[in-house]
Amino acid sequence: EDQVTQSPEALRLQEGESSSLNCSYTVSGLRGLFWYRQDPGKGPEFLFTLYSAGEEKEKERLKATLTKKESFLHITAPKPEDSATYLCAVQAFTGNQFYFGTGTSLTVIP
Amino acid sequence: GAVVSQHPSRVICKSGTSVKIECRSLDFQATTMFWYRQFPKKSLMLMATSNEGSKATYEQGVEKDKFLINHASLTLSTLTVTSAHPEDSSFYICSAGPGLAGLDEQFFGPGTRLTVL
Repeated sequence: EDQVTQSPEALRLQEGESSSLNCSYTVSGLRGLFWYRQDPGKGPEFLFTLYSAGEEKEKERLKATLTKKESFLHITAPKPEDSATYLCAVQAFTGNQFYFGTGTSLTVIP
Repeated sequence: GAVVSQHPSRVICKSGTSVKIECRSLDFQATTMFWYRQFPKKSLMLMATSNEGSKATYEQGVEKDKFLINHASLTLSTLTVTSAHPEDSSFYICSAGPGLAGLDEQFFGPGTRLTVL
């Protein structure tokens, strides 16, 4: 069964304190792994797509990496505006559905 | 590019009435759209896959007769919650992507907050 687990569930960081969010997945043939950011009361905002182990993508203070079993979202020197819930999703070759993790709620304190 | 809109953003209705939510891809065509439901502080739960010109594919446990999905064109899918009850109150979000058959990146609408009194 395809499964996505994110950790930690919640994370509080001081402004400038770098950290990483984890997304572990079990999928029968990974087509793609996706990271999204969601602010309260809004739809998820697309961040990155990763397709193969060893791939990395960067955008401002965020960097996503992928291995055969997990993905990390590294946040370097976060700012309060980075506070949001970060969602990870996987898509298998066997279908087009996205399977989402439960997310990590990030709070960056000034 | 890749903008998805939803309407309405918020709706309050009485128990027993039906509510229609629209999802539009504004700058691309989408043969496949997805409908999700999200409970407070919970992740997205896929309800159904909406296919242009054919019947929607529903996830296990989702009532087809209660959540009617119509994908009449390549830019519009609608979700109708029929005979809504308080337990149907939730945040409904749609997604679409320019990729073929819903593959690759999905872009999400802003969501619709449904409250059933």
